[in-house]
Amino acid sequence: SAVISQKPSRDICQRGTSLTIQCQVDSQVTMMFWYRQQPGQSLTLIATANQGSEATYESGFVIDKFPISRPNLTFSTLTVSNMSPEDSSIYLCSARGGQGNTGELFFGEGSRLTVL
Amino acid sequence: EDQVTQSPEALRLQEGESSSLNCSYTVSGLRGLFWYRQDPGKGPEFLFTLYSAGEEKEKERLKATLTKKESFLHITAPKPEDSATYLCAVPYNQGGKLIFGQGTELSVKP
Repeated sequence: SAVISQKPSRDICQRGTSLTIQCQVDSQVTMMFWYRQQPGQSLTLIATANQGSEATYESGFVIDKFPISRPNLTFSTLTVSNMSPEDSSIYLCSARGGQGNTGELFFGEGSRLTVL
Repeated sequence: EDQVTQSPEALRLQEGESSSLNCSYTVSGLRGLFWYRQDPGKGPEFLFTLYSAGEEKEKERLKATLTKKESFLHITAPKPEDSATYLCAVPYNQGGKLIFGQGTELSVKP
């Protein structure tokens, strides 16, 4: 298994500002992902954080809005840029235990953002 | 298009009243089905992975089963601490990403 730490755990932000969420995994992992969970909704994948290259974004999500860094095999950041109230969500970092693209996906506790 | 549908959306049980949650999926070439539990304000907690039809896995009062079209999460004699949202998910394309169902919110009353 993988233990994933996220910070901040929650924040209240002003419209138009940007916030960076950090994700730290306790072991080296090949694949890291960022999900969004809007109030009362299930999880939607934002992007795959690739180590050493640009993130791969899902349909409806763009790099200018959600820039992602993955400097090494245990750490990633997600920035939510130019925030609006519609960005109020829980943002979840996840990692696949071990190497490769099979096996269980583990999640951090999430970062709850409220945009005023 | 790959899709995951869970039912019911919400389920209220009395303590000790057994029931089942359903997860139906449409994917080309199943590469596993995952069940998670999510408590309010927390990230999803991994429960089970099932890989082939007929496979079953158990953990305490939970048992997950898999057919070619759906999975069931059976809850036997639930307790109030089993109250949570239960999510199922399947991988799509070759990138190891998961697509999640909408979840079933389970409430167990004493």
